[in-house]
Amino acid sequence: QVQLVESGGGVVQPGRSLRLSCAASGFTFSSYAMHWVRQAPGKGLEWVAVISYDGTNKYYADSVKGRFTISRENSNNTLDLQMHSLRPDDTSVYYCARRAPGAAGYDYWGQGTLVTVSS
Amino acid sequence: DIQMTQSPSTLSASVGDRVTITCRASQSVTNWLAWYQQKPGKAPKLLIYKASSLESGVPSRFSGSGSGTEFTLTISSLQPDDFATYYCQQYNFYSSIFGQGTKVEIK
Repeated sequence: QVQLVESGGGVVQPGRSLRLSCAASGFTFSSYAMHWVRQAPGKGLEWVAVISYDGTNKYYADSVKGRFTISRENSNNTLDLQMHSLRPDDTSVYYCARRAPGAAGYDYWGQGTLVTVSS
Repeated sequence: DIQMTQSPSTLSASVGDRVTITCRASQSVTNWLAWYQQKPGKAPKLLIYKASSLESGVPSRFSGSGSGTEFTLTISSLQPDDFATYYCQQYNFYSSIFGQGTKVEIK
């Protein structure tokens, strides 16, 4: 069965960096675009970034552009999000999600990993 | 930038009620519109994609309609498991915007 498992969250001081990972299994990872979506405590969902199936195309929300980098390693079935210059308003649960075939929304999500930016 | 506005923000309903949630886009998104259900502490679950297509395994009491700028999610007969928060999502390959969410509460 399809599984997405995020890791790497934790407490980090403002201005520091953190790297999140998402381990994928149960499907042909190299065939799917992948996304990061975040959710601040008690708030709604915010799309963060997308990477194409082969890693050649990457797009970001304006709120993270220039600070976050999405990447993937298809040989290891892993998706990463490198986060720099973290701010308190980056505090969120970060989810990785698979883009369904035929542009049919995001059909599988991980359980999320909490990033808290605080001094 | 496209904005997605959901209404209402909160909805109180009883088991068996017909429930409708509206999502309006600030400009046409054709039919690139999805609906998700989220329960506390859980990841979102895809219900509807391409505005009106039911995701596999989702009960048929859920339906979606609309195109362009106005969309609706309808739950034909609310069940106890349906009390949750619902989000609409405009998506294309290079970006996505979520609505602010609609919390469906027990009346």
